[in-house]
Amino acid sequence: EAGVVQSPRYKIIEKKQPVAFWCNPISGHNTLYWYRQNLGQGPELLIRYENEEAVDDSQLPKDRFSAERLKGVDSTLKIQPAELGDSAVYLCASSEDGPYNEQFFGPGTRLTVL
Amino acid sequence: GESVGLHLPTLSVQEGDNSIINCAYSNSASDYFIWYKQESGKGPQFIIDIRSNMDKRQGQRVTVLLNKTVKHLSLQIAATQPGDSAVYFCAEPGAARQLTFGSGTQLTVLP
Repeated sequence: EAGVVQSPRYKIIEKKQPVAFWCNPISGHNTLYWYRQNLGQGPELLIRYENEEAVDDSQLPKDRFSAERLKGVDSTLKIQPAELGDSAVYLCASSEDGPYNEQFFGPGTRLTVL
Repeated sequence: GESVGLHLPTLSVQEGDNSIINCAYSNSASDYFIWYKQESGKGPQFIIDIRSNMDKRQGQRVTVLLNKTVKHLSLQIAATQPGDSAVYFCAEPGAARQLTFGSGTQLTVLP
């Protein structure tokens, strides 16, 4: 069974440019998460979706970050405009419904903002 | 604020030895913990979990110990192998299932 798929794996952009990341969760997983992982730190949640509804986006910097999950499957995370401090690995994870279900992580997209 | 994850940042062990990775948490109401392994260039991978009604849980070559009195948990890896080299995180799912990760411990296995 395929795991969580993310693309691109790497992205290098100049500051003030837009960037988008794509995630395809494990089939049947209704819950999808976007995390940001800064160098040397653990991942931090940006947004969580239950199907197509964003149920927790309190940590998403809404002035420049946006996310969508049309049709409750694939999701995109966008940054516009990117800043130097946005350089990080952006991880997507998915899980089945219900409490304490294991979150499966994708390989992440490493973003470098120059 | 952060509720888990006071880790030593690095740990080096000889191949074949046992590894012990420690984690502290601050919320005495925490009732569930997970250990993740993250290899270079990959996302975190679930290793083992433990609920607060247990003080020990064993998996294949791994054991997690939970001491609720001092709010401490540890991950023990038996007969450490080169493939165990990675960053290890303890994590706690909050009420909203938001995983809070610690800062991680980089385990290096020496030949």
